Amino acid sequence: EVQLVETGGGLVQPGRSLKLSCVASGFTFNNYWMSWTRQAPGKGLEWVASITNSDGSTYYPDSVKGRFTISRDNAQNTLYLQMNSLKSEDTATYYCTRVNSGYFDYWGQGVLVTVSS
Amino acid sequence: DIQMTQSPSSLPASLGERVTISCRASQGINNNLNWYQQKPDGTIKPLIYYTSNLQSGVPSRFSGSGSGTDYSLTISSLEPEDFAMYYCQQDASFPPTFGGGTKLELK
Repeated sequence: EVQLVETGGGLVQPGRSLKLSCVASGFTFNNYWMSWTRQAPGKGLEWVASITNSDGSTYYPDSVKGRFTISRDNAQNTLYLQMNSLKSEDTATYYCTRVNSGYFDYWGQGVLVTVSS
Repeated sequence: DIQMTQSPSSLPASLGERVTISCRASQGINNNLNWYQQKPDGTIKPLIYYTSNLQSGVPSRFSGSGSGTDYSLTISSLEPEDFAMYYCQQDASFPPTFGGGTKLELK
């Protein structure tokens, strides 16, 4: 059974940093791209970052580019999201997702990040 | 970026009713359209990929269709567990983008 379990969320002040982790199980982790997608309170879904399985290339939308870094440890079956210079508008539930030809075919349960002073 | 527009944003419906949710892309996406269901507790479940292919385990009352810029999700006979939020998503080009969502609620 495929499982994605996110950890690392919490309350953080504006301008500070936070690192999310996602432990994957039930599939061959290094065969798949992985992504993070977020949902602000009461809002829709927004893709945040993707990383390839082959060469670790990364992709971001303009809203987080230069502040967020996605990475992976294939030996530990773990995906990360380093978030720096956090803003109030980054407050959201962050979901770890497996990518299957562009389709997000498995989602974690989500982890809440609240950016507030 | 490709913009995805869903309609309606809210859809009151009854048990057993047939409903359709629409999703329009700002440009052609060559059937690269996926659907997801989100429950009130935040759990997100993939439903359909590449316009009309059901994710494993998804009941056959769900179906998808469309082409070009216009796509739809149909539920043939609503069950209690179907009342949720639904989102479409395109993966024809980067960045992947989602529709604004449709809340399917009990009439």
